Amino acid sequence: DIQMTQSPSSLSASVGDRVTITCRASQSISNYLNWYQQTPGKAPKLLIYAASSLQSGVPSRFSGSGSGTDFTLTISSLQPEDFATYYCQQSYSTHTWTFGPGTKVEIK
Amino acid sequence: EVQLVQSGAEVKKPGESLRISCKGSGYTFPYYWINWVRQMPGKGLEWMGRIDPSDSYTNYSPSFQGHVTISADKSISTAYLQWSSLKASDTAMYYCARQDYYDSGGSLGDYFDYWGQGTLVTVSS
Repeated sequence: DIQMTQSPSSLSASVGDRVTITCRASQSISNYLNWYQQTPGKAPKLLIYAASSLQSGVPSRFSGSGSGTDFTLTISSLQPEDFATYYCQQSYSTHTWTFGPGTKVEIK
Repeated sequence: EVQLVQSGAEVKKPGESLRISCKGSGYTFPYYWINWVRQMPGKGLEWMGRIDPSDSYTNYSPSFQGHVTISADKSISTAYLQWSSLKASDTAMYYCARQDYYDSGGSLGDYFDYWGQGTLVTVSS
């Protein structure tokens, strides 16, 4: 099974800050990596697919990069509505989808 | 507008059975797999399984195989997640999510693009 890890598990940042979250797969997953945002009490929302493709309607301050085992999600200028938990997800395995443990972005 | 609307919160006792639902609208329901994702209190997301509503073919995570059953009725655009005997450890929020595909240089990748609002299941004696 492919295991996903994320770092950090949480971070504190201020509005306007540049934030970077890392996701690592236990084996190469090419670019089959998605990112989701979950705000408290809400369902997850797709932000990025195929490691770097921005989902329609998602602000351009969000970007993704990486391939193989190492991936990053970057928020170029943190906005108040971006305080949330972010999850990566691999879609490489046949018939099995695995999420990372999440990174909580909190207000400093 | 694509929507997945889930059934309401449930409070059950251990050993009871339960079926929760996820109704799709705004798209052709049989064309897209529906996935179920568990989120235990204060924890992360766990993929449980999925169903192809066109023929009810299913895949399950090994962690959930045999503990839950996923089904669908394409005539009413609804997918279901059911338990025959609930345990306290089944207490969680359950989400359904539509699966869509993209072309990644000749091969297909996928993602969960629309999610239901979640159904909170509480199992307590």
